[in-house]
Amino acid sequence: AQSVAQPEDQVNVAEGNPLTVKCTYSVSGNPYLFWYVQYPNRGLQFLLKYITGDNLVKGSYGFEAEFNKSQTSFHLKKPSALVSDSALYFCAVRDPNTGRRALTFGSGTRLQVQP
Amino acid sequence: DSGVTQTPKHLITATGQRVTLRCSPRSGDLSVYWYQQSLDQGLQFLIQYYNGEERAKGNILERFSAQQFPDLHSELNLSSLELGDSALYFCASSVVEVTNTEAFFGQGTRLTVV
Repeated sequence: AQSVAQPEDQVNVAEGNPLTVKCTYSVSGNPYLFWYVQYPNRGLQFLLKYITGDNLVKGSYGFEAEFNKSQTSFHLKKPSALVSDSALYFCAVRDPNTGRRALTFGSGTRLQVQP
Repeated sequence: DSGVTQTPKHLITATGQRVTLRCSPRSGDLSVYWYQQSLDQGLQFLIQYYNGEERAKGNILERFSAQQFPDLHSELNLSSLELGDSALYFCASSVVEVTNTEAFFGQGTRLTVV
């Protein structure tokens, strides 16, 4: 079965500081990994994905994520946080070996960026 | 704007009632997914359709059903509603079923059962 864990319910960071939102996954083979962001009263917006290749993936709004196979992690990062980055972030996984096409989401991490 | 349209945005109804949520996928997308987001359960996959056919079922209750029509829009029917069905229901779409493609989400329908 595929699963993903986001160990932190909330991450607080000061504006201008780097941010990291953690995600670990569990799949039987090589995973397809995704990050989405949800702003208040909005749907989920796609940020970036890892399919194969370079372990550092760059996405929208200056976000990037690093795939680490040995640690089964896919942490979301940004060098300098903005107050407008405050939102709910979801990590998601698909295991291509299972044929399951729906994304399995983590529980979400609320990012709070303080001015 | 993701291009996925969900109606209505808000719905308030009484226990025991039946409601229908509607989703129009992005133009050209053949695959539609329904998710339920609640405070205690997070984002739960309910069901997927591809070009009119049911493809996968997740944690969907027997009281819930869905279909995808020839014009590719989809409807999620929730019946015999209970207080615990109150949640945000999302529809997402993707072009094909290939597992490395991202899905695009609508803004959701907030269902409140009173």
